Amino acid sequence: QKEVEQDPGPLSVPEGAIVSLNCTYSNSAFQYFMWYRQYSRKGPELLMYTYSSGNKEDGRFTAQVDKSSKYISLFIRDSQPSDSATYLCAMRGSNYKLTFGKGTLLTVNP
Amino acid sequence: DTGVSQDPRHKITKRGQNVTFRCDPISEHNRLYWYRQTLGQGPEFLTYFQNEAQLEKSRLLSDRFSAERPKGSFSTLEIQRTEQGDSAMYLCASSLFPGKRLGDTEAFFGQGTRLTVV
Repeated sequence: QKEVEQDPGPLSVPEGAIVSLNCTYSNSAFQYFMWYRQYSRKGPELLMYTYSSGNKEDGRFTAQVDKSSKYISLFIRDSQPSDSATYLCAMRGSNYKLTFGKGTLLTVNP
Repeated sequence: DTGVSQDPRHKITKRGQNVTFRCDPISEHNRLYWYRQTLGQGPEFLTYFQNEAQLEKSRLLSDRFSAERPKGSFSTLEIQRTEQGDSAMYLCASSLFPGKRLGDTEAFFGQGTRLTVV
């Protein structure tokens, strides 16, 4: 079993839809959780980071962490075609080494 | 600040040749990381530096791979005797430790060097 599981999709939604992206993990040492956005042939861009259970909101994006269930989510409201990208969840313990999911390919159709 | 810079963006090489990639981190960042990403996968950790010291290396980093960060600024990743299995995107990231602001300690990635071994 991989330490981080993420459904690779692909996920296709109409513009304006609410998107839900999820990851599960098995390593209890993970304390810090990130979401990166990666456009085709580009490097990952840090989108959100959360350090505790609960919700964190930034504009149209909400990151949710449930440590008891070892489950994290990213919600995108009012999705736009420019949100079309691969979304990578990443997590780490205290040692700064990131473990990534496989990424979910999202397409938002105009 | 221009972010993390990697050079070259794309490298095509013949099997058996040596290649070297360069990474220039965000100027105030003292930690530098190398990751490798293959198609359809998330990035995998290779190694990281704090200043000029290489503090951790993954088992993925075979003897053919060597990374340096002289003077704690830019870093190079060299692959000797390349194999087709080395074809991947090589990503460099940097962070600040300890951070000055929330989020400083998280990794900011460059655009990557795409290596194709033919």
